[in-house]
Amino acid sequence: DAGITQSPRHKVTETGTPVTLRCHQTENHRYMYWYRQDPGHGLRLIHYSYGVKDTDKGEVSDGYSVSRSKTEDFLLTLESATSSQTSVYFCAAGAYYEQYFGPGTRLTVT
Amino acid sequence: AQTVTQSQPEMSVQEAETVTLSCTYDTSESNYYLFWYKQPPSRQMILVIRQEAYKQQNATENRFSVNFQKAAKSFSLKISDSQLGDTAMYFCAFIHGGSGGSNYKLTFGKGTLLTVNP
Repeated sequence: DAGITQSPRHKVTETGTPVTLRCHQTENHRYMYWYRQDPGHGLRLIHYSYGVKDTDKGEVSDGYSVSRSKTEDFLLTLESATSSQTSVYFCAAGAYYEQYFGPGTRLTVT
Repeated sequence: AQTVTQSQPEMSVQEAETVTLSCTYDTSESNYYLFWYKQPPSRQMILVIRQEAYKQQNATENRFSVNFQKAAKSFSLKISDSQLGDTAMYFCAFIHGGSGGSNYKLTFGKGTLLTVNP
């Protein structure tokens, strides 16, 4: 797992509430990523970071924001959770040619 | 935009046999990387093997090897001596190796569910 942890591992929340997922890495990787995994879609990139305070959007960024104030932490925030954001969320870190993944967070929005 | 296609949603193989998973991709770039990731029932994404497009030699990692056909844009994964622990979803993925924003986007196929039967 290359020293990547995610918290929480499971969360159930209600529609309209804000949710923050945390990714923490211990390998001092420059690049960090947030993906979501849904049946029939594989993994899709939400946002990524190429350095502290340097972030950009992926292909499914609507309704999500990110922040990276330290090299080791990358936060994903659902500003107002919707049922369509029920998914498994993966964080990854590493070089662009070698990404290692965290264990995933299962988020259920009711 | 690049795309990655895995045409086999599910496959099965008998223990100790060999199986090949298919992947095709589409890109106009010449410098890129290809990957196979394994996702067992534990949900952990595990990097199985990586291929750099500029290397002609096919990558190999123990029982896992690839057949990289650059002109055909094909990147298949061969698993030899299949084991019960190989049962997993396998994802093919692609990333550009050049500079620029597209550098950062790892594009995945939709996956192939492989079941190894005893």
